[in-house]
Amino acid sequence: EAQVTQNPRYLITVTGKKLTVTCSQNMNHEYMSWYRQDPGLGLRQIYYSMNVEVTDKGDVPEGYKVSRKEKRNFPLILESPSPNQTSLYFCASSSTNGETQYFGPGTRLLVL
Amino acid sequence: AQSVTQLDSQVPVFEEAPVELRCNYSSSVSVYLFWYVQYPNQGLQLLLKYLSGSTLVKGINGFEAEFNKSQTSFHLRKPSVHISDTAEYFCAVTLPGAGSYQLTFGKGTKLSVIP
Repeated sequence: EAQVTQNPRYLITVTGKKLTVTCSQNMNHEYMSWYRQDPGLGLRQIYYSMNVEVTDKGDVPEGYKVSRKEKRNFPLILESPSPNQTSLYFCASSSTNGETQYFGPGTRLLVL
Repeated sequence: AQSVTQLDSQVPVFEEAPVELRCNYSSSVSVYLFWYVQYPNQGLQLLLKYLSGSTLVKGINGFEAEFNKSQTSFHLRKPSVHISDTAEYFCAVTLPGAGSYQLTFGKGTKLSVIP
């Protein structure tokens, strides 16, 4: 089954404790993105990647890092999480000539 | 840069009544337009998309949308809603050739279907 998976689905952590949210897709897509969703703000893009070793900032990249060492994986790293990063995070992927993004189930993060 | 405005943050509607969720976009060039749906505690799912051609686009679950270039709108409609349509709906835009990784989303409209 074609899908985007994220882990963990739920995470509670404390300020300053580094964490990684993994994202993996099995559709051989070139493009992958990370979004955060906050009430009343919709989805905002954090980072995106056009292919292996090619990443770029989205609209709200501060406080986040990403890497794309393999085509299928695109982890999101919070080196020193803060409470304002409490949010719902989505990973998405799409093909080079595809207009449709496929979304993962989301990761709900609470930073205390 | 393109932008999207969803004019209603919440829309309550009775079951079996028609509904329209409004979306306006801003862009100086042609765009691709999308509607995504997010059911409670789930990820986003593509409802329909407009790339080119017929301005009336049909999607899943009986939804349709009409692209109006002169009014820069892409409103979503359904003639008769069901309880299961309760969800949040997002309008999104991207530039042709830019790759869908540059999707810009609206802030969302929560549709509540009342039995």
